[in-house]
Amino acid sequence: SYELTQPPSVSVSPGQTASITCSGDKLGEKYACWYQQKPGQSPVLVIYQDDNRPSGIPERFSGSNSGNTATLTISGTQAMDEADYYCQAWDSSTALFGGGTKLTVL
Amino acid sequence: QEQLVQSGAEVKKPGSSVKVSCKASGGSFSTYGISWVRQAPGQGLEWMGQIIPIFDTTNSAQNLQGRVTISADKSTSTAYMELNSLRSEDTAVYYCARGVGAAPSEYAFDIWGQGTVVTVSS
Repeated sequence: SYELTQPPSVSVSPGQTASITCSGDKLGEKYACWYQQKPGQSPVLVIYQDDNRPSGIPERFSGSNSGNTATLTISGTQAMDEADYYCQAWDSSTALFGGGTKLTVL
Repeated sequence: QEQLVQSGAEVKKPGSSVKVSCKASGGSFSTYGISWVRQAPGQGLEWMGQIIPIFDTTNSAQNLQGRVTISADKSTSTAYMELNSLRSEDTAVYYCARGVGAAPSEYAFDIWGQGTVVTVSS
C-alpha cells in the first residue's frame, strides 16, 4: 500500500526558514496538500495542489512537489507557526496522510 | 461563511455503533465531497472515507470496509458517518472535512468540522 513519510520533528529559529518534507513513491506525479494543526484545534489547509495557498494563508507558506518528495517551506518562521504539519495525497481513490511533523520554533 | 458543524461527544460500549453527523451551512453541499478523518489520542490523521452527495457515491478506507457507513441527506445538507463493532482502538476525535478540486481523487480538504470525541470504553 502507498505510504507518505514525514520526519517526526523539525526545529527552526524565529525568522529562519523551515522545510518539512513528505516522501512517497512518485509523489511528484500526484497532487500534494499540507495541513497545519495546533493543539486542540481542527486541521487547517495551508497548501493545495502542490504549491497553491488558500486565501488567508500568509505568503511565507509555500510548497513544491517533484520526484518522490513534496516540501512545505515556511519563510521567516514565526512563533505562531509552531504546530503539527501533515502532508496528504490521493492514491487509488484513497486519501493518505503522512505521519505528521511537529514544528518547534525556538 | 461556509462551515461544518458536527454532533456532540459520544461514549460507547465495545461492540456497539456510533453515528456522527456533520451539517453544512453557507455553501452548496451537494457539489463537494465530504470526507471523514479521525485522530486517535496523540496520533496522526487517518482518512476513513468520503461521500459525494451530488452523485451519491461513497468510498472508504480498505481497513474500515464493512464497519463504516457514510451517507448524506441533501435536503438538510447533512452528512453522516456510522461506525460499527466499536473497539477501544476506535477512541478518537472524528472530523468531517469538505473536499474541493477538479476531481475526487484530487480533493483538498478546505473546511473542517470542529471534531467529535468518541470514547469507546466498557
